[in-house]
Amino acid sequence: EVQLVESGGGVVQPGGSLRLSCAASGFTFDDYPMHWVRQVPGKGLEWVSQITWDGDSTYYADSVKGRFTISRDNSKNSLYLQMRSLRTEDTALYYCAKEGSDPYAMDVWGQGTTVTVSS
Amino acid sequence: QSMLAQPPSASGTPGQRVTISCSGSSSNIGSNPVNWYQQLPGTAPKLLIYSFNQRPSGVPDRFSGSKSGTSASLAISGLQSEDEAVYYCAAWDDSLNAVVFGGGTKLTVL
Repeated sequence: EVQLVESGGGVVQPGGSLRLSCAASGFTFDDYPMHWVRQVPGKGLEWVSQITWDGDSTYYADSVKGRFTISRDNSKNSLYLQMRSLRTEDTALYYCAKEGSDPYAMDVWGQGTTVTVSS
Repeated sequence: QSMLAQPPSASGTPGQRVTISCSGSSSNIGSNPVNWYQQLPGTAPKLLIYSFNQRPSGVPDRFSGSKSGTSASLAISGLQSEDEAVYYCAAWDDSLNAVVFGGGTKLTVL
């Protein structure tokens, strides 16, 4: 079964850091680009970042550029999101998503991990 | 980051055909495929339509997508109660080097 499982969410103070992980299974992880997408409860989806299959190229939303770093370890079938200088507006449910055979079409999603930035 | 423009809500009765619009620009919808996602209450989003009008396996053919210029549409025919969800369009934006999502359309089946 194709599956993505996020972890690492929690409560952190403004200015703090957190590292999210996403464990992939059921597919050849290093064949596909991966994404992080977030959602404030009750609000819409906001794309956060994308990494190519080999990790050579990364892309970020303007709202997180310079503060978040996406990375992957293909030997561990894992995706990461290092978040620094966190702000209250980063509070959201963070999903990792697998890109399908069509560019930028996210065909598998995890259940998400919650990040709360609060003093 | 700019978003694609979607109506916040839509509604229809069972059996009816409903369309949801998604408006963008030349740097996103005008030059890249549009994908549609369905998010049922309390669940993760699910890919519904990719590359304008392709359906992943398991998605009923009641769902279809189209594009004209810098706008795209999702059509749902034979509306069913289980179609009640929020629908998002998304596309890569060449100017932003980012994926942009629409704000989402909440579909109510009356």
